[in-house]
Amino acid sequence: QSALTQPPSASGSPGQSVTISCTGTSSDVGGYNYVSWYQQHPGKAPKLIIYEVSKRPSGVPDRFSGSKSGNTASLTVSGLQAEDEADYYCNSYAGGNIFFVFGTGTTVTVL
Amino acid sequence: EAQLVESGGGLVEPGGSLRLSCAASGFTSGNYWIWWVRQAPGKGLVWVSDVSPDGSETKLADFVKGRFTISRDNAKNTVYLHMNSLRAEDTAVYYCARGGVYFAVDIWGQGTLVTVSS
Repeated sequence: QSALTQPPSASGSPGQSVTISCTGTSSDVGGYNYVSWYQQHPGKAPKLIIYEVSKRPSGVPDRFSGSKSGNTASLTVSGLQAEDEADYYCNSYAGGNIFFVFGTGTTVTVL
Repeated sequence: EAQLVESGGGLVEPGGSLRLSCAASGFTSGNYWIWWVRQAPGKGLVWVSDVSPDGSETKLADFVKGRFTISRDNAKNTVYLHMNSLRAEDTAVYYCARGGVYFAVDIWGQGTLVTVSS
């Protein structure tokens, strides 16, 4: 099972929005509404920011939003702040013998 | 505060074995799925394995099947990853994480580094 495809990098100025895509197949992203997103700062453990495509855990700012269309999920970070500079990974349930698959990761830079 | 703490990592020769532990505190780990996820140096996250709350159901990624097993001792609030026949490509930080929401993990440990090298 290959990793889900994400762009290697994305950037925006403070206050702007950035959207990260996560492309899979009908066997993972397109087949289930179990896409989650994780934020990881350098040297730190990942942090859950979106689950079940668009739900936010308590404590995660509403600047983070998720969506899905077909085999592609997206994470949008609105009103970019300096602390949003991090790596972001999507994850999807894939069922069968694959179970779960992460995306390739996207480094977000705040200009 | 709910947290997970991994231990057991270290330097091991190719073909060797290690047992990683994931100790939970601040919550009853026996109520949750627990994942193991690894991250090779400078690389992305990769799902490795998970175990059901009562330990009756376990899943392993194809690349570790036959070499790794996962187990848990709910009396000790601890989950284990038993790693055998280790290879250089198994070198990574191994994280355990709590399945606190449907099909996702909401609490992560700080990770433990496994280095496979002669």
